[in-house]
Amino acid sequence: QKEVEQNSGPLSVPEGAIASLNCTYSDRGSQSFFWYRQYSGKSPELIMFIYSNGDKEDGRFTAQLNKASQYVSLLIRDSQPSDSATYLCAVNIKTGANNLFFGTGTRLTVIP
Amino acid sequence: KAGVTQTPRYLIKTRGQQVTLSCSPISGHRSVSWYQQTPGQGLQFLFEYFSETQRNKGNFPGRFSGRQFSNSRSEMNVSTLELGDSALYLCASSGRQGFTYNEQFFGPGTRLTVL
Repeated sequence: QKEVEQNSGPLSVPEGAIASLNCTYSDRGSQSFFWYRQYSGKSPELIMFIYSNGDKEDGRFTAQLNKASQYVSLLIRDSQPSDSATYLCAVNIKTGANNLFFGTGTRLTVIP
Repeated sequence: KAGVTQTPRYLIKTRGQQVTLSCSPISGHRSVSWYQQTPGQGLQFLFEYFSETQRNKGNFPGRFSGRQFSNSRSEMNVSTLELGDSALYLCASSGRQGFTYNEQFFGPGTRLTVL
Protein backbone atom coordinates (compact mmCIF):
# COMPACT_ATOMS: atom_id res chain seq x y z
CA GLN A 1 0.00 0.00 0.00
CA LYS A 2 1.34 3.42 -0.94
CA GLU A 3 1.79 5.93 1.83
CA VAL A 4 -0.23 8.60 0.03
CA GLU A 5 -2.91 7.99 -2.56
CA GLN A 6 -4.75 10.43 -4.78
CA ASN A 7 -7.27 10.05 -7.54
CA SER A 8 -5.11 10.38 -10.63
CA GLY A 9 -7.88 12.10 -12.53
CA PRO A 10 -7.93 13.89 -14.79
CA LEU A 11 -10.53 16.12 -13.23
CA SER A 12 -12.34 18.68 -15.35
CA VAL A 13 -14.57 21.41 -13.96
CA PRO A 14 -16.18 24.45 -15.60
CA GLU A 15 -14.94 27.92 -14.73
CA GLY A 16 -16.55 29.19 -11.54
CA ALA A 17 -17.28 25.72 -10.17
CA ILE A 18 -15.84 24.06 -7.07
CA ALA A 19 -13.02 21.60 -7.65
CA SER A 20 -12.62 18.88 -5.03
CA LEU A 21 -9.33 17.01 -4.72
CA ASN A 22 -8.93 14.08 -2.39
CA CYS A 23 -6.07 12.27 -0.71
CA THR A 24 -5.73 9.36 1.71
CA TYR A 25 -2.70 8.33 3.69
CA SER A 26 -1.68 5.11 5.37
CA ASP A 27 0.44 6.15 8.36
CA ARG A 28 -1.85 6.98 11.24
CA GLY A 29 1.00 8.83 12.94
CA SER A 30 1.26 11.37 10.14
CA GLN A 31 1.65 14.84 11.51
CA SER A 32 1.25 17.43 8.79
CA PHE A 33 -0.27 17.62 5.37
CA PHE A 34 0.52 19.81 2.39
CA TRP A 35 -1.00 20.67 -0.94
CA TYR A 36 1.29 21.67 -3.77
CA ARG A 37 0.38 22.89 -7.23
CA GLN A 38 2.61 22.01 -10.15
CA TYR A 39 2.26 23.57 -13.55
CA SER A 40 3.59 21.62 -16.49
CA GLY A 41 7.36 21.97 -16.71
CA LYS A 42 7.58 23.81 -13.38
CA SER A 43 8.43 22.82 -9.83
CA PRO A 44 5.82 22.28 -7.08
CA GLU A 45 4.47 25.40 -5.41
CA LEU A 46 3.12 25.23 -1.86
CA ILE A 47 -0.56 26.19 -1.65
CA MET A 48 -1.59 25.20 1.84
CA PHE A 49 -0.68 23.10 4.84
CA ILE A 50 -2.87 21.71 7.60
CA TYR A 51 -2.12 19.75 10.74
CA SER A 52 -5.28 19.91 12.85
CA ASN A 53 -8.57 18.17 12.20
CA GLY A 54 -11.13 20.38 10.51
CA ASP A 55 -11.07 23.02 7.82
CA LYS A 56 -8.49 25.65 6.99
CA GLU A 57 -9.35 28.39 4.53
CA ASP A 58 -7.05 30.64 2.52
CA GLY A 59 -8.74 32.72 -0.13
CA ARG A 60 -10.41 30.43 -2.65
CA PHE A 61 -8.71 27.36 -1.17
CA THR A 62 -9.95 25.22 1.71
CA ALA A 63 -8.03 22.27 3.10
CA GLN A 64 -9.90 19.68 5.13
CA LEU A 65 -8.33 17.09 7.40
CA ASN A 66 -9.92 14.06 9.04
CA LYS A 67 -7.27 12.10 10.92
CA ALA A 68 -9.71 9.39 12.03
CA SER A 69 -10.46 8.59 8.39
CA GLN A 70 -6.89 9.36 7.31
CA TYR A 71 -8.24 11.69 4.69
CA VAL A 72 -7.26 15.14 3.50
CA SER A 73 -8.89 17.18 0.78
CA LEU A 74 -8.52 20.47 -1.06
CA LEU A 75 -11.46 22.50 -2.30
CA ILE A 76 -10.95 25.22 -4.86
CA ARG A 77 -13.89 27.62 -5.07
CA ASP A 78 -14.66 29.77 -8.10
CA SER A 79 -12.20 27.75 -10.18
CA GLN A 80 -10.27 29.71 -12.78
CA PRO A 81 -8.49 28.51 -15.94
CA SER A 82 -5.24 29.52 -14.23
CA ASP A 83 -5.94 26.82 -11.63
CA SER A 84 -5.38 24.17 -14.31
CA ALA A 85 -2.40 22.20 -13.01
CA THR A 86 -1.44 19.02 -11.22
CA TYR A 87 -2.18 19.08 -7.50
CA LEU A 88 0.07 17.07 -5.25
CA CYS A 89 -0.84 15.91 -1.78
CA ALA A 90 2.14 15.47 0.55
CA VAL A 91 2.36 14.03 4.04
CA ASN A 92 5.04 14.41 6.68
CA ILE A 93 4.94 11.41 8.99
CA LYS A 94 7.72 12.48 11.31
CA THR A 95 7.56 15.56 13.49
CA GLY A 96 10.43 17.91 12.89
CA ALA A 97 11.68 16.04 9.84
CA ASN A 98 11.56 17.39 6.34
CA ASN A 99 10.74 14.19 4.53
CA LEU A 100 7.55 14.39 2.51
CA PHE A 101 5.69 11.46 1.00
CA PHE A 102 3.87 12.57 -2.13
CA GLY A 103 0.84 11.24 -3.91
CA THR A 104 1.00 10.84 -7.66
CA GLY A 105 -1.03 13.98 -8.18
CA THR A 106 -4.40 14.88 -9.67
CA ARG A 107 -4.47 16.70 -12.97
CA LEU A 108 -7.11 19.47 -12.86
CA THR A 109 -8.43 21.24 -15.95
CA VAL A 110 -10.72 24.24 -15.56
CA ILE A 111 -12.75 24.75 -18.72
CA PRO A 112 -13.51 28.39 -19.63
CA LYS B 1 13.77 37.03 -0.15
CA ALA B 2 15.23 35.19 -3.07
CA GLY B 3 13.87 31.71 -3.58
CA VAL B 4 15.63 28.38 -3.78
CA THR B 5 18.12 28.24 -6.61
CA GLN B 6 19.44 25.16 -8.36
CA THR B 7 22.23 24.75 -10.85
CA PRO B 8 22.52 23.63 -13.51
CA ARG B 9 18.97 23.69 -14.83
CA TYR B 10 19.61 21.10 -17.51
CA LEU B 11 22.20 18.38 -17.80
CA ILE B 12 22.90 15.63 -20.31
CA LYS B 13 25.20 12.78 -19.32
CA THR B 14 25.99 9.29 -20.55
CA ARG B 15 25.70 6.03 -18.67
CA GLY B 16 28.52 5.42 -16.25
CA GLN B 17 29.36 9.06 -15.71
CA GLN B 18 28.82 10.92 -12.48
CA VAL B 19 27.05 14.19 -11.87
CA THR B 20 26.92 16.86 -9.17
CA LEU B 21 23.91 19.11 -8.66
CA SER B 22 23.85 22.20 -6.51
CA CYS B 23 21.16 23.84 -4.41
CA SER B 24 21.15 27.15 -2.52
CA PRO B 25 18.30 27.40 -0.01
CA ILE B 26 16.29 30.46 0.89
CA SER B 27 18.39 32.80 3.00
CA GLY B 28 18.17 31.75 6.65
CA HIS B 29 16.89 28.25 5.90
CA ARG B 30 19.11 25.52 7.26
CA SER B 31 17.31 22.41 6.05
CA VAL B 32 17.66 21.18 2.49
CA SER B 33 15.81 18.13 1.18
CA TRP B 34 16.34 16.50 -2.19
CA TYR B 35 13.66 14.76 -4.26
CA GLN B 36 13.58 12.87 -7.54
CA GLN B 37 10.57 13.27 -9.83
CA THR B 38 9.86 10.85 -12.66
CA PRO B 39 6.66 10.20 -14.63
CA GLY B 40 6.51 6.62 -13.37
CA GLN B 41 7.37 7.02 -9.68
CA GLY B 42 6.32 10.60 -9.02
CA LEU B 43 8.12 12.60 -6.37
CA GLN B 44 10.36 10.55 -4.12
CA PHE B 45 12.46 11.69 -1.18
CA LEU B 46 16.21 11.22 -1.49
CA PHE B 47 17.69 12.77 1.66
CA GLU B 48 17.64 15.75 3.96
CA TYR B 49 20.51 17.77 5.33
CA PHE B 50 20.48 20.06 8.31
CA SER B 51 23.52 21.77 9.80
CA GLU B 52 25.84 19.86 7.49
CA THR B 53 24.48 16.49 8.69
CA GLN B 54 22.30 14.03 6.83
CA ARG B 55 19.23 13.74 8.99
CA ASN B 56 16.94 11.56 6.91
CA LYS B 57 17.45 9.25 3.96
CA GLY B 58 15.05 7.71 1.47
CA ASN B 59 15.24 4.35 -0.27
CA PHE B 60 17.78 5.07 -2.95
CA PRO B 61 21.01 3.18 -3.68
CA GLY B 62 24.34 4.36 -2.37
CA ARG B 63 25.16 5.86 -5.78
CA PHE B 64 23.10 8.82 -4.61
CA SER B 65 24.89 10.93 -2.04
CA GLY B 66 24.88 14.46 -0.82
CA ARG B 67 26.45 16.97 1.45
CA GLN B 68 25.78 20.35 2.96
CA PHE B 69 28.16 23.19 3.53
CA SER B 70 28.38 25.62 6.43
CA ASN B 71 26.45 28.24 4.44
CA SER B 72 23.59 25.69 4.04
CA ARG B 73 24.20 25.22 0.33
CA SER B 74 23.87 21.59 -0.62
CA GLU B 75 25.11 19.33 -3.36
CA MET B 76 23.95 15.93 -4.45
CA ASN B 77 26.07 13.50 -6.41
CA VAL B 78 25.04 10.55 -8.50
CA SER B 79 27.79 8.16 -9.51
CA THR B 80 27.78 5.52 -12.22
CA LEU B 81 24.72 6.98 -13.91
CA GLU B 82 22.02 4.66 -15.23
CA LEU B 83 19.34 5.36 -17.81
CA GLY B 84 16.74 5.20 -15.04
CA ASP B 85 18.36 8.14 -13.27
CA SER B 86 16.90 10.47 -15.89
CA ALA B 87 14.58 12.67 -13.88
CA LEU B 88 13.85 16.11 -12.51
CA TYR B 89 15.86 16.58 -9.33
CA LEU B 90 14.31 19.04 -6.93
CA CYS B 91 15.62 20.51 -3.77
CA ALA B 92 13.46 22.09 -1.12
CA SER B 93 14.41 24.29 1.78
CA SER B 94 12.71 24.74 5.10
CA GLY B 95 13.21 27.30 7.81
CA ARG B 96 11.31 25.50 10.53
CA GLN B 97 12.86 22.90 12.77
CA GLY B 98 11.24 20.75 15.37
CA PHE B 99 7.75 21.95 14.57
CA THR B 100 4.78 19.78 13.76
CA TYR B 101 4.59 21.35 10.34
CA ASN B 102 7.57 22.30 8.24
CA GLU B 103 6.72 24.02 5.02
CA GLN B 104 9.15 23.16 2.27
CA PHE B 105 9.77 25.45 -0.69
CA PHE B 106 11.02 23.96 -3.91
CA GLY B 107 13.62 25.22 -6.31
CA PRO B 108 13.13 25.13 -10.10
CA GLY B 109 14.84 21.74 -10.39
CA THR B 110 17.62 20.25 -12.47
CA ARG B 111 16.50 18.18 -15.45
CA LEU B 112 18.98 15.32 -15.85
CA THR B 113 18.97 13.23 -19.00
CA VAL B 114 21.13 10.09 -19.13
CA LEU B 115 21.88 8.74 -22.60
